[in-house]
Amino acid sequence: EPEVTQTPSHQVTQMGQEVILRCVPISNHLYFYWYRQILGQKVEFLVSFYNNEISEKSEIFDDQFSVERPDGSNFTLKIRSTKLEDSAMYFCASRDETQYFGPGTRLLVL
Amino acid sequence: AQKVTQAQTEISVVEKEDVTLDCVYETRDTTYYLFWYKQPPSGELVFLIRRNSFDEQNEISGRYSWNFQKSTSSFNFTITASQVVDSAVYFCALRSASGGYNKLIFGAGTRLAVHP
Repeated sequence: EPEVTQTPSHQVTQMGQEVILRCVPISNHLYFYWYRQILGQKVEFLVSFYNNEISEKSEIFDDQFSVERPDGSNFTLKIRSTKLEDSAMYFCASRDETQYFGPGTRLLVL
Repeated sequence: AQKVTQAQTEISVVEKEDVTLDCVYETRDTTYYLFWYKQPPSGELVFLIRRNSFDEQNEISGRYSWNFQKSTSSFNFTITASQVVDSAVYFCALRSASGGYNKLIFGAGTRLAVHP
């Protein structure tokens, strides 16, 4: 069964460093998403991506964040200069009628 | 505005008990989708069910059943004869069917602990 994959599963970084989180969506899906979940809290929408451009973004998704689909399979989230409050689980999702989530990348900013 | 409320923060039951997780939603859309996801201790989000707004039939899948009532804007989830493996956080979510607004709005989640 097709699934969304994400790498790395865990990442530890120093405040101010750039991180790139990678995702491979399900191959025939056209809509891609990033969500985040701060420990113990709800899942929050960050950004949606369709037809090689951002279709919607939340107020969390400020200038420090960017997304890219560099080739036909990968979908990346870049945080340019990480802050302590960026520590969270980041989920990638893709959808047909249903959004299917990857296993997440746990990001810890020290 | 769209909103999902899961008023039960935590529920604790003993194995084999039935348990119902409540979900109340708000939306101005006439067409929308409702979802339930399970987040086990390992952290991933596992899709359980999707229901569209014009299909109010209840659904049963094994020990799981869902009760969708538009009149009360509720989409409740019942686990019959709960098992320890059901221990997880369960999220209810809403998505508009209107073009462009296709993000998921999640509730805060209900943590279910099933004890042997």
